[in-house]
Amino acid sequence: EAGVTQSPTHLIKTRGQQVTLRCSPISGHTSVYWYQQALGLGLQFLLWYDEGEERNRGNFPPRFSGRQFPNYSSELNVNALELEDSALYLCASSLDGSYEQYFGPGTRLTVT
Amino acid sequence: GEDVEQSLFLSVREGDSSVINCTYTDSSSTYLYWYKQEPGAGLQLLTYIFSNMDMKQDQRLTVLLNKKDKHLSLRIADTQTGDSAIYFCAESWPSGGGSYIPTFGRGTSLIVHP
Repeated sequence: EAGVTQSPTHLIKTRGQQVTLRCSPISGHTSVYWYQQALGLGLQFLLWYDEGEERNRGNFPPRFSGRQFPNYSSELNVNALELEDSALYLCASSLDGSYEQYFGPGTRLTVT
Repeated sequence: GEDVEQSLFLSVREGDSSVINCTYTDSSSTYLYWYKQEPGAGLQLLTYIFSNMDMKQDQRLTVLLNKKDKHLSLRIADTQTGDSAIYFCAESWPSGGGSYIPTFGRGTSLIVHP
């Protein structure tokens, strides 16, 4: 069974630009979560989507947004990139908000 | 507020046991987890324990939970070089919308040397 997949693997953007990251959950999982793992800060929860709706949001500004598609895949959009947005962005999926989350390999975003 | 704390580094010799410790602050935590992150990779769910349990064993892994002290530990028996990674402790409870959104510690880097 395929795990959670994310694309792209790496990305380099310039401050002020916009970026879109993509995630495909494990087949059958309806919930998708996004996390930011910045150097020295651990994992910070960004967003949770389930059945196409945003269900919960972490303490991040509105320029972090996303959506979930009917096939349960998800996009994370970050507008007006700042240097401190440089991080590994991890996507996880679970069955309907279950306590067991399974993570993808992440997208490494570098903002210069 | 919630906070999960772990020591940053642990160095062990191959074949020895490793014990990684974690403290958490939220007594309403329902599930406590251990995740493993190898270099350049995402997080792998190693094991989790429900808050009404004291211990869980899974092959070389033993999780101990002391609810009174809010202390969680992960013991890896017969540690191998392939166990070298960052280990994250996390806690969760039903949050807004009903999901379990884990709060993670900053991770413990386990270094296994021959």
